Amino acid sequence: EAQVTQNPRYLITVTGKKLTVTCSQNMNHEYMSWYRQDPGLGLRQIYYSMNVEVTDKGDVPEGYKVSRKEKRNFPLILESPSPNQTSLYFCASSKGIFTGELFFGEGSRLTVL
Amino acid sequence: GENVEQHPSTLSVQEGDSAVIKCTYSDSASNYFPWYKQELGKRPQLIIDIRSNVGEKKDQRIAVTLNKTAKHFSLHITETQPEDSAVYFCAASDMEYGNKLVFGAGTILRVKS
Repeated sequence: EAQVTQNPRYLITVTGKKLTVTCSQNMNHEYMSWYRQDPGLGLRQIYYSMNVEVTDKGDVPEGYKVSRKEKRNFPLILESPSPNQTSLYFCASSKGIFTGELFFGEGSRLTVL
Repeated sequence: GENVEQHPSTLSVQEGDSAVIKCTYSDSASNYFPWYKQELGKRPQLIIDIRSNVGEKKDQRIAVTLNKTAKHFSLHITETQPEDSAVYFCAASDMEYGNKLVFGAGTILRVKS
């Protein structure tokens, strides 16, 4: 089954404790992206990757890091989480940004205390 | 960069009525406009998209229209059903950056039976 898998789905952590949200897709997609969803703000892009070893900032990259060492994986790293990073995070992939739909993961709800 | 505004933020309709959600975009070079539906607690999923060389596209009860001159596009849902209740996001490609989709803030659609 074609899917984008994120882990963990739910996480409560404390300020400053590094965490990683993993994202994996099994569709051989070149394009992957991270979004955060906040009420009234829609989906805002954090980082995206056009292919292995190619990543770039989206609209709200501050406080986040990513890496793309393998085509299927695109982890999101919060080196020192802060309460303003409390949000619902979605990973997504597609063949290319303008060549088809974005397939979203199920989302990861992160709470930073 | 691209800016997308979406209206209304909430919309309540009676089952069987039509619903219209409107989006405006700022970058006249944008050429790809998808719509995503997000049911409660679920991931966003593509329901329809349109490219700038097309003025209208239909898929059963949903349709999207594009007015390039006015830089706005709309989602039309006819004969609404309770399962249409969801959050709907419009998006537009950001041609300045080439690899981004900019999303609107979302519309909560409630279909009352």
